[in-house]
Amino acid sequence: DTAVSQTPKYLVTQMGNDKSIKCEQNLGHDTMYWYKQDSKKFLKIMFSYNNKELIINETVPNRFSPKSPDKAHLNLHINSLELGDSAVYFCASSHVDEQFFGPGTRLTVL
Amino acid sequence: AQSVTQPDIHITVSEGASLELRCNYSYGATPYLFWYVQSPGQGLQLLLKYFSGDTLVQGIKGFEAEFKRSQSSFNLRKPSVHWSDAAEYFCAVGPVNDYKLSFGAGTTVTVRA
Repeated sequence: DTAVSQTPKYLVTQMGNDKSIKCEQNLGHDTMYWYKQDSKKFLKIMFSYNNKELIINETVPNRFSPKSPDKAHLNLHINSLELGDSAVYFCASSHVDEQFFGPGTRLTVL
Repeated sequence: AQSVTQPDIHITVSEGASLELRCNYSYGATPYLFWYVQSPGQGLQLLLKYFSGDTLVQGIKGFEAEFKRSQSSFNLRKPSVHWSDAAEYFCAVGPVNDYKLSFGAGTTVTVRA
């Protein structure tokens, strides 16, 4: 029983393309997050949604657009991909304090 | 602003030896403190957390951490490491009743036989 799942696990694409990463959690949590982990393994929050409402929106290019169709899903759409977008993207969810992370999506932009 | 410093980028330890990973935080009030572990190719798993109360916190996989307010530290320890403990370890701090965690840069632990 996967708690937080992400698809795809790997994503290789060309510069300028548009791509989406999907995230689903079956924990019944109210809050979901997107994090970016760069090549030096530094982990930084990008967005957070609580009950489908955006509550955290860090300094992220507006090419990145999160969408939460319901409490269990938080998708990340990226327009006009750039080389610097190459990273591992983690989805997470939480109820009160502990955040549960998905397995990550490794995005490679060529 | 909250921040976390993990001074050690990489630690190598022999199997069976003890391990201590350092974490220093900067936060204006009482923080929530966490240690996460990331095995190669995996997501992050919570090892332990501190909110209040006893400053020595027990976690999973035989790990413990001690909160020292005077030193703004939350160091992680394990008395005897196993080869499976080779991973990336992240310390994180968050304000009470908020959702925003700040992570340290991580410490890579290598276990030699």
